[in-house]
Amino acid sequence: QKEVEQDPGPLSVPEGAIVSLNCTYSNSAFQYFMWYRQYSRKGPELLMYTYSSGNKEDGRFTAQVDKSSKYISLFIRDSQPSDSATYLCAMSATVVDSNYQLIWGAGTKLIIKP
Amino acid sequence: DVKVTQSSRYLVKRTGEKVFLECVQDMDHENMFWYRQDPGLGLRLIYFSYDVKMKEKGDIPEGYSVSREKKERFSLILESASTNQTSMYLCASSPLVAGGPAEETQYFGPGTRLLVL
Repeated sequence: QKEVEQDPGPLSVPEGAIVSLNCTYSNSAFQYFMWYRQYSRKGPELLMYTYSSGNKEDGRFTAQVDKSSKYISLFIRDSQPSDSATYLCAMSATVVDSNYQLIWGAGTKLIIKP
Repeated sequence: DVKVTQSSRYLVKRTGEKVFLECVQDMDHENMFWYRQDPGLGLRLIYFSYDVKMKEKGDIPEGYSVSREKKERFSLILESASTNQTSMYLCASSPLVAGGPAEETQYFGPGTRLLVL
């Protein structure tokens, strides 16, 4: 079983819809949770990150962490065709003597239809 | 703006060839990383480096080596390319921050798509 599970999609929705992207994980030591966005033929770029549980909002994007369920979500409101990309979740623990690696999900390909 | 550049966007090599992938960052970052990205598997860390001449194995170092002679440059070497090394290779860099990986945003290059025949 992978440490981080993410549905690869593709997820296709009409413009203006609310999008929900999700990851589940197995390691209860994870404390930091990140979402990266990757456009076609480009490298990933950080979209948002959250610490521990709770929500974080940035414009049309909301990141949510439920540590009790080991589940994180990224919501996109009023989705636009320019949001079409692959969204990768990544997470890490904060143990001082860890090797500070990020653990990545496989990425979900999102398609917003005009 | 942080810029991470990779020497090639596309490469085609033959089985058994020695392959060099180069990565350069212009933000004086301490950390540099090499990943490979395959459909359904996400990003897998090959090697990373915290400083010049320092290197640490990631999850899948077999068949690869790295070199970091200068702070801004991190090279990935495939000693004898094999078909199962056909993949997208991504280089990233990040600053060293006391808070650890969550505070150290990784900045990625555009990737090198390698085909080994």
